[in-house]
Amino acid sequence: ILNVEQSPQSLHVQEGDSTNFTCSFPSSNFYALHWYRWETAKSPEALFVMTLNGDEKKKGQISATLNTKEGYSYLYIKGSQPEDSATYLCACETGGGADGLTFGKGTHLIIQP
Amino acid sequence: KAGVTQTPRYLIKTRGQQVTLSCSPISGHRSVSWYQQTPGQGLQFLFEYFSETQRNKGNFPGRFSGRQFSNSRSEMNVSTLELGDSALYLCASSFEGFETQYFGPGTRLLVL
Repeated sequence: ILNVEQSPQSLHVQEGDSTNFTCSFPSSNFYALHWYRWETAKSPEALFVMTLNGDEKKKGQISATLNTKEGYSYLYIKGSQPEDSATYLCACETGGGADGLTFGKGTHLIIQP
Repeated sequence: KAGVTQTPRYLIKTRGQQVTLSCSPISGHRSVSWYQQTPGQGLQFLFEYFSETQRNKGNFPGRFSGRQFSNSRSEMNVSTLELGDSALYLCASSFEGFETQYFGPGTRLLVL
């Protein structure tokens, strides 16, 4: 069973501050890494899909990097706003997708005004 | 365009019963995946259907099954319900596979 770990489990950040958190995954048989944002009372929203070592993706003030050799991805939020409060999930796809997606438990981010 | 819809939104069943959940994907999407969210285990992949065929399956017992129809709508069935099946069940659709998936609002199942 694939083990995808996210840290920290929760994070309180002041509005305007920047923050980052980590997703760790086994590097063997890696195919893709997904990031999702899940706001309370809403559905998960896809942020990024990354496949290549060194990939960097950006969407507004949110960006992500990928290191497939060492098995980690970072998600960065620059200048956090209250609307960034959500649980951020990463999911690892292995075996060319044949094994489905394995999710981490998420990082619960709270932005305090 | 219309998003992913799931019915019913809430459901209460008793142990031993069976349940069928429905998911209608975004028009044009052929891949539908199902997920279970519980407080203890987080979000777990159940299975993926593409063009009426199950392509991938997560680590769940055979009581969990699904199917997909020619219009890409999908159903998930859980037989012989157990208390531990209480969860939020999400489906997600995409054009081909696990690239950008769009999630539905979920069905919250409570097993008493």
